[in-house]
Amino acid sequence: QKEVEQNSGPLSVPEGAIASLNCTYSDRGSQSFFWYRQYSGKSPELIMSIYSNGDKEDGRFTAQLNKASQYVSLLIRDSQPSDSATYLCAVTPDSGYALNFGKGTSLLVTP
Amino acid sequence: DVKVTQSSRYLVKRTGEKVFLECVQDMDHENMFWYRQDPGLGLRLIYFSYDVKMKEKGDIPEGYSVSREKKERFSLILESASTNQTSMYLCASSPGRGEAFFGQGTRLTVV
Repeated sequence: QKEVEQNSGPLSVPEGAIASLNCTYSDRGSQSFFWYRQYSGKSPELIMSIYSNGDKEDGRFTAQLNKASQYVSLLIRDSQPSDSATYLCAVTPDSGYALNFGKGTSLLVTP
Repeated sequence: DVKVTQSSRYLVKRTGEKVFLECVQDMDHENMFWYRQDPGLGLRLIYFSYDVKMKEKGDIPEGYSVSREKKERFSLILESASTNQTSMYLCASSPGRGEAFFGQGTRLTVV
């Protein structure tokens, strides 16, 4: 079983701060990496994808990938209370079709 | 925008009933998936389909079956519902071995 590990949290940050969410994966053959946001009672929503080592920025979100360390992270700048949600890390397997998901990190942004 | 639509947002069924959960996607995606999500257990893959009439078991297929007669539609069938199948069920589709897009989810309660 290919593992995707995330700290379950909750991670609590004050409004306006940077939230840093981390994910490690075990499948060295993985090529594509995704972050999903899931509000309570709702379905996961894709917010970032990253395919090569380094940083990828989209608005207040930055995804970081280090394949050598098998590590993916998501930074949320200027965190807002509306960012409070569970963030799921997902990784494509070396073989097969279905993404491998972590169990998610709960983020709480306090006003 | 990708649209994945699940037939029901909430369902309540009795133990022993045969239950059908329907999912339709409008983006001509090859792959479709059924997950269930339970607190502390994360997303678990039940079944997926990579083409019409093709299906593969996921991590927890017991007690479930699926049908994909048309490319846009993927159905999950609970042969004889049991209380341990009370869960949030999520359908997703993807164009290849990459990002998946989720429907709104069906919260099923079996009493």
